[in-house]
Amino acid sequence: QVQLQESGPGLVKPSGTLSLTCVVSGYSISSSSNWWSWVRQPPGKGLEWIGEIYHTGSTNYNPSLKSRVTISVDKSKNQFSLKLSSVTAADTAVYYCTRARGWNWGQGTLVTVSS
Amino acid sequence: QSALTQPPSASGSPGQSVTISCTGTSSDVGGYNYVSWYQQHPGKAPKLMIYEVSKRPSGVPDRFSGSKSGNTASLTVSGLQTEDEADYYCSSYAGSNNLVFGGGTKVTVL
Repeated sequence: QVQLQESGPGLVKPSGTLSLTCVVSGYSISSSSNWWSWVRQPPGKGLEWIGEIYHTGSTNYNPSLKSRVTISVDKSKNQFSLKLSSVTAADTAVYYCTRARGWNWGQGTLVTVSS
Repeated sequence: QSALTQPPSASGSPGQSVTISCTGTSSDVGGYNYVSWYQQHPGKAPKLMIYEVSKRPSGVPDRFSGSKSGNTASLTVSGLQTEDEADYYCSSYAGSNNLVFGGGTKVTVL
């Protein structure tokens, strides 16, 4: 059974960098032909695709966030990560990691951008 | 890329059917058969209900069905049950390795 678990700071200062990690269990990132994605949801609002990474390291990003986003993978730890730079209050959201563009989801983690 | 358009709300009585639309363009919904639908209960992560327009993952009741006509995809929930009350989101491949979501529809079981 595939399980994904997000972790990282719940509070980030404006202009700082948001960093999250998604640990995958029950499924090997390196042996699969899946894309591993990040999706966010501002409080009370809808879902927004942030970007994704393949086990080879190939990435795709939402054009509206591309200049600030980096997604990386650590196959040895079976995890992938998100970095979002120059954050503002508008980046406050629940951040989810997913497998295969939505087949499995982590429980989500709330990140608040505030001083 | 713009978000797909969904009605903000929909409702039906138990046992009835409700259909939710998801309108995009020929660059996303209309151009690819990669439309998915997700169910999200309050405080929970989304759950995949439909993929590739009309396919159901194992374990999803056959009361849930998907279809597409032109630039509009639809999710129909037949035989509404109280546990179907939730937010529903569509998503579509939008070309150039991009994904786009709809704004979400709140389904209320009257």
